[in-house]
Amino acid sequence: DTGVSQDPRHKITKRGQNVTFRCDPISEHNRLYWYRQTLGQGPEFLTYFQNEAQLEKSRLLSDRFSAERPKGSFSTLEIQRTEQGDSAMYLCASSFVPGLTPGEQFFGPGTRLTVL
Amino acid sequence: EDQVTQSPEALRLQEGESSSLNCSYTVSGLRGLFWYRQDPGKGPEFLFTLYSAGEEKEKERLKATLTKKESFLHITAPKPEDSATYLCAVDSSYKLIFGSGTRLLVRP
Repeated sequence: DTGVSQDPRHKITKRGQNVTFRCDPISEHNRLYWYRQTLGQGPEFLTYFQNEAQLEKSRLLSDRFSAERPKGSFSTLEIQRTEQGDSAMYLCASSFVPGLTPGEQFFGPGTRLTVL
Repeated sequence: EDQVTQSPEALRLQEGESSSLNCSYTVSGLRGLFWYRQDPGKGPEFLFTLYSAGEEKEKERLKATLTKKESFLHITAPKPEDSATYLCAVDSSYKLIFGSGTRLLVRP
């Protein structure tokens, strides 16, 4: 399967701990996005990369959140000092621009984070 | 501020009972309106892109239409496998702004 993959699929952590998620996009895609989704809501944009450059970050992305995409391939999203409000599904998506329209994004299965 | 509102929040249909989902949007310069399907525990799956008022796209039992302020997703003779959450989104400076979705349940 050559789709977007995310690891881990589930993460349970205690408040105050740091967590890191990984996303592997579709190999030829140059754009990579991170979204957060809570129950009953649509995904909310967090940040996106074109190749290795982080081009935009949402106001939702506090100082405790950091994302990287070294070498323009996989990406990591780290949350430091987790809070219960960080509990959500973290979705990664990728796209190829130009070529595909920016809105035609391919999503991974997500990482479900539970902060106790 | 770009915004997307979907209605209804939830919809229950009998198999074969056609209906429509609504997506109202406010965006400064539409670069595209997108429909996605999301099954429980999975990421959204792309369905359609619409760019201009009057445009229509079809896929199996689904048809998406677009006006200057709204988009509709029409479901004709739905089957139980069409049960999912349907998300609408607009392109806002190369990122997607999603609505909260319509949870569709089709009963046999």
